[in-house]
Amino acid sequence: AQSVAQPEDQVNVAEGNPLTVKCTYSVSGNPYLFWYVQYPNRGLQFLLKYITGDNLVKGSYGFEAEFNKSQTSFHLKKPSALVSDSALYFCAVRDWDNNNDMRFGAGTRLTVKP
Amino acid sequence: NAGVTQTPKFRILKIGQSMTLQCTQDMNHNYMYWYRQDPGMGLKLIYYSVGAGITDKGEVPNGYNVSRSTTEDFPLRLELAAPSQTSVYFCASSYSSGQGLGDTQYFGPGTRLTVL
Repeated sequence: AQSVAQPEDQVNVAEGNPLTVKCTYSVSGNPYLFWYVQYPNRGLQFLLKYITGDNLVKGSYGFEAEFNKSQTSFHLKKPSALVSDSALYFCAVRDWDNNNDMRFGAGTRLTVKP
Repeated sequence: NAGVTQTPKFRILKIGQSMTLQCTQDMNHNYMYWYRQDPGMGLKLIYYSVGAGITDKGEVPNGYNVSRSTTEDFPLRLELAAPSQTSVYFCASSYSSGQGLGDTQYFGPGTRLTVL
């Protein structure tokens, strides 16, 4: 079965600095990759996804992610962090061979300090 | 559009009690899902449905049941509550014209359940 790893429980950055939230995945076939964000006491909100095509995917709120097949990674990035970006971020993967089962990472808590 | 709504927001159950978590979506999505979120564990899929009358097990279905009699509603039933079912439960929906592979899922606000 597919799996996702988010190696950092917590990422701290200063406002205005670039941010990266890491994600690596394991699938038997081709992956469909997603990033979701969760604010306190709320459900998850979609940020962006990679299905096929350009390896650099742009999403909501200025976020982007780069699909790297050789490194099996899909890191989330933003050039200039905002305090309001502070939240819990989840990476998720679906596998062509098991298409109704989406696996989520454990989440990374991003804190942006003023 | 209200999107995906869930009731109740909070619930405390005693061991052995039963309850139904309600989920409704008004986006005419064909796919619906139930997840549980445990601290530090991400989300795990309990059950999903690809359309009215069709349901299937996800990664952690034991102790739960679902039904999908309409497109809009996808209730989750706990028959004999156990402390291991203490969690936050999220319902989600998506629209798929194919196999649902690249679909964006829309989540409800969650139900926080405690079993004592």
